[in-house]
Amino acid sequence: TQLLEQSPQFLSIQEGENLTVYCNSSSVFSSLQWYRQEPGEGPVLLVTVVTGGEVKKLKRLTFQFGDARKDSSLHITAAQPGDTGLYLCAGGTGGQNFVFGPGTRLSVLP
Amino acid sequence: KAGVTQTPRYLIKTRGQQVTLSCSPISGHRSVSWYQQTPGQGLQFLFEYFSETQRNKGNFPGRFSGRQFSNSRSEMNVSTLELGDSALYLCASSPGAGGDQPQHFGDGTRLSIL
Repeated sequence: TQLLEQSPQFLSIQEGENLTVYCNSSSVFSSLQWYRQEPGEGPVLLVTVVTGGEVKKLKRLTFQFGDARKDSSLHITAAQPGDTGLYLCAGGTGGQNFVFGPGTRLSVLP
Repeated sequence: KAGVTQTPRYLIKTRGQQVTLSCSPISGHRSVSWYQQTPGQGLQFLFEYFSETQRNKGNFPGRFSGRQFSNSRSEMNVSTLELGDSALYLCASSPGAGGDQPQHFGDGTRLSIL
């Protein structure tokens, strides 16, 4: 069974700070997706990374896929209250279903 | 372009009853996946349908079932409800099948079992 772990589980920071959250597994994934979920809503796709070592930037968010395609990180620069939410990583398994991590709950205080 | 629509948004049932949840995917999307989300277990995969056929199934009891219609709309059914079935049920659609397609989620149906 492929499992994904995310750390930290909870993170509370002040507006303007930088942060990094991690997504790790002992399994290799064909792709890695990051989602953000806000209360009362479904997860919204932020990015998909497919190549080992790939780095993608989305405004203040930087996503990296590990060289071995077993881990990923999400770095947020100068966090804002609007970044508050549950960040989920999901590993793609090719022909099978996605495997989701438990999430990192981020709170950015003004 | 309309997003994924799930109905109803909220549902309250009692133990032993059954429930049917509905999901309308994004137009043109042929794959629909269902997930259960709880605070303790996170997002857990229930099943995926593509072109009216179940492609994958998660580790849930047979009380959980689903189907997909020719217009790609999907329903999931839970019979003999238990207290532990209280959760947010999310539906996601994607253009194709398989575990690398971007998933577009609806806002879910929150099911509470009394």
